[in-house]
Amino acid sequence: QQPVQSPQAVILREGEDAVINCSSSKALYSVHWYRQKHGEAPVFLMILLKGGEQKGHDKISASFNEKKQQSSLYLTASQLSYSGTYFCGTEDSGGSNYKLTFGKGTLLTVNP
Amino acid sequence: GAVVSQHPSRVICKSGTSVKIECRSLDFQATTMFWYRQFPKQSLMLMATSNEGSKATYEQGVEKDKFLINHASLTLSTLTVTSAHPEDSSFYICSARDWGGQGGFGSGTRLTVV
Repeated sequence: QQPVQSPQAVILREGEDAVINCSSSKALYSVHWYRQKHGEAPVFLMILLKGGEQKGHDKISASFNEKKQQSSLYLTASQLSYSGTYFCGTEDSGGSNYKLTFGKGTLLTVNP
Repeated sequence: GAVVSQHPSRVICKSGTSVKIECRSLDFQATTMFWYRQFPKQSLMLMATSNEGSKATYEQGVEKDKFLINHASLTLSTLTVTSAHPEDSSFYICSARDWGGQGGFGSGTRLTVV
């Protein structure tokens, strides 16, 4: 079942922060975050594994709450280059075949 | 590390012909490769999963005789769209992972069937 991402779209000014959420109705083994710019393939951001971990690099970080079956992606002090569509991909806890189901995406627009 | 190369990046073919898309892992052994399709303004949808040396597992609704997947080595998987039709026009993306769970996406192939 497809995870639900929220919000569907968000517009920021450069320097502002944003949070993108990804929720699943199933128990999750892992959550993957990707960013896709128009006309390009998705670019991997990070994987979070069950156990409630938190990861980050630069000013983009994410958390994974296994009990709530949700993950959040945090973008702080946004830059123009952060613009794009963000997808979360989830792997069910029962899966062992790296089968990802992607959410519908969140369109992030960062304006000067 | 975990570089995945996909070719071609764009292809235009005539209706009824076949098109082959390659997905290579350049610096790791891809024990599993995945093929996704993305229609305009939509999310990625998994088409099939292939394990090296085994037959691919197709998702419900994906015609295995139309989308032939071969994963004969730990560094190469191919997707062949047979007898392509305009409705097959889409963005096809592969991804690959190794035993440790590291992997990446290919750069995608935009297929246009005319």
